[in-house]
Amino acid sequence: AQRVTQPEKLLSVFKGAPVELKCNYSYSGSPELFWYVQYSRQRLQLLLRHISRESIKGFTADLNKGETSFHLKKPFAQEEDSAMYYCALSPLGGNGGSQGNLIFGKGTKLSVKP
Amino acid sequence: NAGVTQTPKFQVLKTGQSMTLQCAQDMNHNSMYWYRQDPGMGLRLIYYSASEGTTDKGEVPNGYNVSRLNKREFSLRLESAAPSQTSVYFCASEQGAYYGYTFGSGTRLTVV
Repeated sequence: AQRVTQPEKLLSVFKGAPVELKCNYSYSGSPELFWYVQYSRQRLQLLLRHISRESIKGFTADLNKGETSFHLKKPFAQEEDSAMYYCALSPLGGNGGSQGNLIFGKGTKLSVKP
Repeated sequence: NAGVTQTPKFQVLKTGQSMTLQCAQDMNHNSMYWYRQDPGMGLRLIYYSASEGTTDKGEVPNGYNVSRLNKREFSLRLESAAPSQTSVYFCASEQGAYYGYTFGSGTRLTVV
C-alpha cells in the first residue's frame, strides 16, 4: 500500500539548532516526493520537490531509496520556520507518468523557540 | 496571476443547511482536488477531477458532491451539513505529476 509516514506530530527546537523532520514512504515504484509548508492559518505552499534538488529557505531534503526516506533538514532553525510541514508522495508509473493522487503524511508541527 | 481562488473564506452553517464551496484556477491545470484538514488527521481527499467532465471519489466522499463546471472551476457541495463536517476545506490544482499541487487559501467551515 502507498503510504507516507511522518512519525513526529510535534518537533520543538531552539533557534540556531539543527532541525530534521522525518518522512518515510511506502511505494513499490519510483515516486516523486515533495515537502509542503503551512504557516499559521495560511494555505499550503510547496517548499521543495525532489526532482529539482533545490534548497529553499535553507531547507534541503535527500531521497534515500534504501531507507525509503525523504527527511527535511535545515542546519540552523529560525523562529520564522515555525509551521506545519507535510511530506507528500506522487506515485509514478514506469514511463514517469502519474499513477494517482498526491499522498500526504499527517504532518509535523515545527516550533522554533527563541 | 491569482492561482487558486476559493470562496467563501469563512462560513457558519446550521445542521441540515446546504452550501456550495467555490474554487477556480487560472493556470490551465487539468486536475483539481478538494481536501479537508482536521487536527491530527492531516489532509484527507474528498473528491478529485482529473480533467474537465470527470470526477472521482477520494478517501472521505460521504456527505459531499462535486461539479467540474469547466476547466477552471470545481465546486464542492454539502447537501445537508452535519457538525462532523466542521473543518477547513482546501481546493488544489495540479500541473503534472512532477510539479505538485497549488492550493487555495481555504474555507473555514463551522456547522453548529
